[in-house]
Amino acid sequence: AQKVTQAQTEISVVEKEDVTLDCVYETRDTTYYLFWYKQPPSGELVFLIRRNSFDEQNEISGRYSWNFQKSTSSFNFTITASQVVDSAVYFCALFGTGANSKLTFGKGITLSVRP
Amino acid sequence: DAGITQSPRHKVTETGTPVTLRCHQTENHRYMYWYRQDPGHGLRLIHYSYGVKDTDKGEVSDGYSVSRSKTEDFLLTLESATSSQTSVYFCAISEPIGRWDTQYFGPGTRLTVL
Repeated sequence: AQKVTQAQTEISVVEKEDVTLDCVYETRDTTYYLFWYKQPPSGELVFLIRRNSFDEQNEISGRYSWNFQKSTSSFNFTITASQVVDSAVYFCALFGTGANSKLTFGKGITLSVRP
Repeated sequence: DAGITQSPRHKVTETGTPVTLRCHQTENHRYMYWYRQDPGHGLRLIHYSYGVKDTDKGEVSDGYSVSRSKTEDFLLTLESATSSQTSVYFCAISEPIGRWDTQYFGPGTRLTVL
């Protein structure tokens, strides 16, 4: 079975601080896909990024960056110079193949950014 | 915007009553999904569909049934609602094409079973 662990449940930072959200996954599949979603207080789920297992390049998008390391089965998400609008619940998710062809979510990390 | 709507957005019902939630999409996506979100559990898959009249179970399918008679509509039915089914329900589609593609979510339906 596949599993996603987000060990941090709640993080609180002051605006402009950098913050890293950790995600560790377990799977026996050689091909799989990793995702991050954001759920702001309004409740919708917003797709942030998708990464394929065969592509370990890190990704940067504005203040957001993602560090994918297969050796440690981690897919961490860093927000640089955090802003109040970054306050949300962030979910990491894994889509496997074969019998694991479903999206498995972590339990989410609640990020609070204080002014 | 993946063109997904859910109805109703909020519903309060009583234990033992049947409830149907509707997910509607406008862009002809083949794959559609129903999830529930509960505190401390993240999102969990209830059922999914890979075409008209083609559906399969997810990890928490007990107490739920689904139907897809048209590409654009995916219905989730609670035959006899229980308090444990109080949750926020999200519909999703895969875009652009396949099951391995990114899932985009609807706005959610908050269901309360008293």
